[in-house]
Amino acid sequence: AQKVTQTQTSISVVEKTTVTMDCVYETRDSSYFLFWYKQTASGEIVFLIRQDSYKKENATVGHYSLNFQKPKSSIGLIITATQIEDSAVYFCAMREGNTNTGKLTFGDGTVLTVKP
Amino acid sequence: AQTIHQWPVAEIKAVGSPLSLGCTIKGKSSPNLYWYWQATGGTLQQLFYSITVGQVESVVQLNLSASRPKDDQFILSTEKLLLSHSGFYLCAWSLAGDNQAPLFGEGTRLSVL
Repeated sequence: AQKVTQTQTSISVVEKTTVTMDCVYETRDSSYFLFWYKQTASGEIVFLIRQDSYKKENATVGHYSLNFQKPKSSIGLIITATQIEDSAVYFCAMREGNTNTGKLTFGDGTVLTVKP
Repeated sequence: AQTIHQWPVAEIKAVGSPLSLGCTIKGKSSPNLYWYWQATGGTLQQLFYSITVGQVESVVQLNLSASRPKDDQFILSTEKLLLSHSGFYLCAWSLAGDNQAPLFGEGTRLSVL
């Protein structure tokens, strides 16, 4: 069965710095898809960035980038030039190759606090 | 542009009472639809998914049921609420046959007392 683990419960950083959030996953599928979402204080869940298992290049979207280390089953999220409004809970999620179920398995989340 | 809307925004219900939560997707035909549940302070757990009208598959049994009466509508319901049903319910959609990241609605906060 697939499993996603986020070991960092919470992280606090000063704004304008770079933060990395860890995520490791377990799957038996050779094809899978990894996603990062953030949940704001209002509860809104926002999709940030994805990495497909067959792609070697790390994905980048705006000030979000990924550190995909396939041999280690690791997909870290890097946020550069953090802003106060980046404070949120960040979830890592994985979907295995079967697209019909669309089943996403989520990690427990990492609370990011960005301070002035 | 596609929009996803959930109703109601919040509910306070008594144990043993019925529940119906709704989700509507506009701007996309035949999307895949999903229901997720999140306990307070917890992670998201997928409950149901649907790839077409009238077809719903259960992922986790929580004494809840789901239906898709129209292409753009997804309903979550139960006849008898339990205390353990409290939490945040989120509807999500993605393109059929694609590995697009599911996109979420605003959610419904449910308190069962």
